[in-house]
Amino acid sequence: GAVVSQHPSWVICKSGTSVKIECRSLDFQATTMFWYRQFPKQSLMLMATSNEGSKATYEQGVEKDKFLINHASLTLSTLTVTSAHPEDSSFYICSAREDPLRSAAGAQYFGPGTRLLVL
Amino acid sequence: GEDVEQSLFLSVREGDSSVINCTYTDSSSTYLYWYKQEPGAGLQLLTYIFSNMDMKQDQRLTVLLNKKDKHLSLRIADTQTGDSAIYFCAEGFGNEKLTFGTGTRLTIIP
Repeated sequence: GAVVSQHPSWVICKSGTSVKIECRSLDFQATTMFWYRQFPKQSLMLMATSNEGSKATYEQGVEKDKFLINHASLTLSTLTVTSAHPEDSSFYICSAREDPLRSAAGAQYFGPGTRLLVL
Repeated sequence: GEDVEQSLFLSVREGDSSVINCTYTDSSSTYLYWYKQEPGAGLQLLTYIFSNMDMKQDQRLTVLLNKKDKHLSLRIADTQTGDSAIYFCAEGFGNEKLTFGTGTRLTIIP
């Protein structure tokens, strides 16, 4: 149980284009989803928290107009990197948190990640 | 503020026990977690411990929590080559956020 998928697993795009990454909880309903960014050999940096049906909460320093997050259903959240530039190249990982009343310790379950390369 | 520290590297011989340590500064966390990340993959939840507990054992994994010293450890018994990965500890708070440690890269020596 508690499987989270991401699509695509990797993407290469030209500078200036937009890229959409999907995060799905496959066997549970995720009231909250998180988006992280990870640079090589570094830890995860939380970008934003999204709750189903409401606006995402962005961490300090993360541009909300550049990283658009939509959490339209209890099983799907999307991150769109708008007008991507080479400095946006990174490993993007989502996680999903089940209702803490139903899951163990309100743990976050992570997707396999999406590697974005902007040329 | 929240600050979680780990040693960057650990090398262990196959069959020995691995002990990965983690220190943190914010004692208001409700749960503490251990995640495993294999190359090019996302994070896999290994185990967690409620902040009021001292120890939790789950098969080859033993988690020890010293709340007074703000120290968390993960012991992996009979370490195998498949245990090679980066291990992250993380603090969980009531606001749902996780604060991750810097990660420890575990290398298994044959």
